[in-house]
Amino acid sequence: EVQLVESGGGLVQPGGSLRLSCVASGFTFSSYSMNWVRQAPGKGLEWVSYISSGSSTIYYADSVKGRFTISRDNAKNSLYLQMSSLRDEDTAVYYCARVLSGSYSLVPGYWGQGTLVTVSS
Amino acid sequence: DIQMTQSPSSVSASVGDRVTITCRASQGISSWLAWYQQKPGKAPKLLIYAASSLQSGVPSRFSGSGSGTDFTLTISGLQPEDFATYYCQQANSFPPTFGQGTRLEIK
Repeated sequence: EVQLVESGGGLVQPGGSLRLSCVASGFTFSSYSMNWVRQAPGKGLEWVSYISSGSSTIYYADSVKGRFTISRDNAKNSLYLQMSSLRDEDTAVYYCARVLSGSYSLVPGYWGQGTLVTVSS
Repeated sequence: DIQMTQSPSSVSASVGDRVTITCRASQGISSWLAWYQQKPGKAPKLLIYAASSLQSGVPSRFSGSGSGTDFTLTISGLQPEDFATYYCQQANSFPPTFGQGTRLEIK
């Protein structure tokens, strides 16, 4: 069974930094691309970032480009999101999501339970 | 970026009803479309990918159709556990984008 467990969320002041982690199990982590997707309170879903299985391809949403960095450690079955220069509008539940398969690399097929990031003074 | 527009934004229905939700892409995306279900406080769950392929474990009362710019999600014979918010998502090109969501409520 695919399991994704996020951690690292919390309260941070505007301009601050936070590092989210996601630990994967139940599948061969090194074989799959991964995503971060977020959801502001009461709002819809917003894709944040993508990293390929070997970290050679990375994409970011324009809203976080230059401030967020996605990375992974395949030896530790872990995905990360380093967030800096945080803004109020970054307040959201952040989900780690595995792509469905190699043929559907833009489909987040499996999701973690999410971790809440609150940016507030 | 490709914009995804869902309609309606909300719909009320009764158990046993048939409900259809539509999703329109701002440009053609072939069949690169997915549908998700989200219940309050829970993560989204993939229902359908490639416009009409049912994800493993998803009941057959869920079905999807369409290609190009216009897509539909149909739920035949609504069950109590189906009352949730549904999102479409284009999987044609980066950045992947979601519709604004359709809230399915009990009548």
